[in-house]
Amino acid sequence: DADVTQTPRNRITKTGKRIMLECSQTKGHDRMYWYRQDPGLGLRLIYYSFDVKDINKGEISDGYSVSRQAQAKFSLSLESAIPNQTALYFCATSDLGRPNTGELFFGEGSRLTVL
Amino acid sequence: QKEVEQNSGPLSVPEGAIASLNCTYSDRGSQSFFWYRQYSGKSPELIMFIYSNGDKEDGRFTAQLNKASQYVSLLIRDSQPSDSATYLCACGSNDYKLSFGAGTTVTVRA
Repeated sequence: DADVTQTPRNRITKTGKRIMLECSQTKGHDRMYWYRQDPGLGLRLIYYSFDVKDINKGEISDGYSVSRQAQAKFSLSLESAIPNQTALYFCATSDLGRPNTGELFFGEGSRLTVL
Repeated sequence: QKEVEQNSGPLSVPEGAIASLNCTYSDRGSQSFFWYRQYSGKSPELIMFIYSNGDKEDGRFTAQLNKASQYVSLLIRDSQPSDSATYLCACGSNDYKLSFGAGTTVTVRA
């Protein structure tokens, strides 16, 4: 089983619908992140959390919200999905004990299509 | 906005040759540098990290860092078809976030 699990893996939805992407991890890491990946743009940070009470906006947080339900769970919500939110979304974790920023451990990705 | 730029590619190399990937970064506060490999449709996986100026070798991979020039590179020696993937350069600093480049796609021709 994957250490960082994302659900759903694929989702097609319509404009205006609310969608939630879920992430759970068994690595025991404190830090969790949500990135989106678009062709030619690389990975861009949406939100990140360093512990259950800590939530921070990344570079492209507009139109998204997150919830850190527990150390192991970090969910990303699109309150009203729009077509330009069609992308591949990755959840990632890192270890507080690592020097500097440390290595990121990625989930398998959630492919979202908004029609 | 922290910028990480990679040569756009795609980069096509014959099997057995050296693939050279380049990355520049704008944030002089960057302290840690990573190369991730991403196969099509898969998640990124770390192949190298480097914190100090100079070269770091791991098997067929060598990372090179020059902080004065804000430049990171990755050399893949004896390229194999299994090295065909997109390579992502990432930089981190004291804010514990990584900034990624757009990636360079490498194709190794048999």
